[in-house]
Amino acid sequence: EAGVVQSPRYKIIEKKQPVAFWCNPISGHNTLYWYLQNLGQGPELLIRYENEEAVDDSQLPKDRFSAERLKGVDSTLKIQPAELGDSAVYLCASSPGLAGGRVDNEQFFGPGTRLTVL
Amino acid sequence: GESVGLHLPTLSVQEGDNSIINCAYSNSASDYFIWYKQESGKGPQFIIDIRSNMDKRQGQRVTVLLNKTVKHLSLQIAATQPGDSAVYFCAEILYNNNDMRFGAGTRLTVKP
Repeated sequence: EAGVVQSPRYKIIEKKQPVAFWCNPISGHNTLYWYLQNLGQGPELLIRYENEEAVDDSQLPKDRFSAERLKGVDSTLKIQPAELGDSAVYLCASSPGLAGGRVDNEQFFGPGTRLTVL
Repeated sequence: GESVGLHLPTLSVQEGDNSIINCAYSNSASDYFIWYKQESGKGPQFIIDIRSNMDKRQGQRVTVLLNKTVKHLSLQIAATQPGDSAVYFCAEILYNNNDMRFGAGTRLTVKP
């Protein structure tokens, strides 16, 4: 079974430029997450989708970040304009969802996109 | 084996020794805890989990201990191997909101 796919794996841009990341979750997984991971830190949640609905975007800097999951499958995360402090790894994860009251809703992570803003 | 204090960023052990990685979590209402392993250039990978109604759970070469009184979680790796070298994160989840919070991580280095 294919895991979570992310592209690109690496991206280098100049500040003030836009950038977009793409994620294809594991087939059948209803829940999709975007995380930001700074060097030496644990991942921090940016946004969580249940199917196509963003159910938790409280940590997403909405002035420059946006995300979509139009058909409830693939998702894109966009930054416009990028700032120097946005340099980090952007991780996508998916999980089966909380259907049936499962508490052990294991998240499967993709390899991430390493963004460098110059 | 070697035990580390809470939230030390690095741990170095000799191949074959036992490793103990500690984590302090923040929310006493958290219901579910996971240990993740993250190798360089990869996303976090699930190792083992434990629910709040348990205090110990064993997997293959790994054991997780949960002490809810002091909000402490530990990961024990038996007979540590070079392939265990990675950063290990604990994560806590509050039931019903699926919000997973990661700790800062511990880098484990296994010396041959």
